[in-house]
Amino acid sequence: SYVLTQPPSVSVAPGQTARITCGGNNIGSKSVHWYQQKPGQAPVLVVYDDSDRPSGIPERFSGSNSGNTATLTISRVEAGDEADYYCQVWDSSSDHRYVFGTGTKVTVL
Amino acid sequence: QVTLRESGPALVKPTQTLTLTCTFSGFSLSTSGMCVSWIRQPPGKALEWLALIDWDDDKYYSTSLKTRLTISKDTSKNQVVLTMTNMDPVDTATYYCARRPKEGSSWPFDYWGQGTLVTVSS
Repeated sequence: SYVLTQPPSVSVAPGQTARITCGGNNIGSKSVHWYQQKPGQAPVLVVYDDSDRPSGIPERFSGSNSGNTATLTISRVEAGDEADYYCQVWDSSSDHRYVFGTGTKVTVL
Repeated sequence: QVTLRESGPALVKPTQTLTLTCTFSGFSLSTSGMCVSWIRQPPGKALEWLALIDWDDDKYYSTSLKTRLTISKDTSKNQVVLTMTNMDPVDTATYYCARRPKEGSSWPFDYWGQGTLVTVSS
């Protein structure tokens, strides 16, 4: 089964840059998507196909993917970015096919 | 405007069968490439994919839950239904339905419902 590992938490001051990693075996060969989930709300897609943004998502959200690590970068962090973030890939050999990461809580100091 | 909304019981007893309905608007599940999936999230835990149905009525299930899950669609009503048998307290979670808009398994889930919390308790 394919496993995506994320750090449990990341803390960042307003205006600074937050980087959230998502580790998986040869994840660079897969398309990685990122979701933001605020308390009590449904997940929202913020980055897809490693680095593309859906319409309406600020340019401050960007992504990269290479080797065994994908990264979501949030530039010029704002208080409203405080949320849980999940990476996700599709893996045909995995039990769950659509695999989600363990999740990272971003705290804005 | 794409919307999805989950509905179903908030409380089920152990061993009972759960039936959840996803009612959507703004797209058609008869459109080539369109899919709807069910995903759940236990309180305080990560997201877990459960099942997916596509425009061609192909169905895919989490291997570990396959024997307990059934997904179906009613295109005329714009609904997707998930049934899960033999419910257990560990199945307590918020259940989401979400849309995958294009053909190709690597596409993301671009719209989600608000979720419905299901508690399993006697």
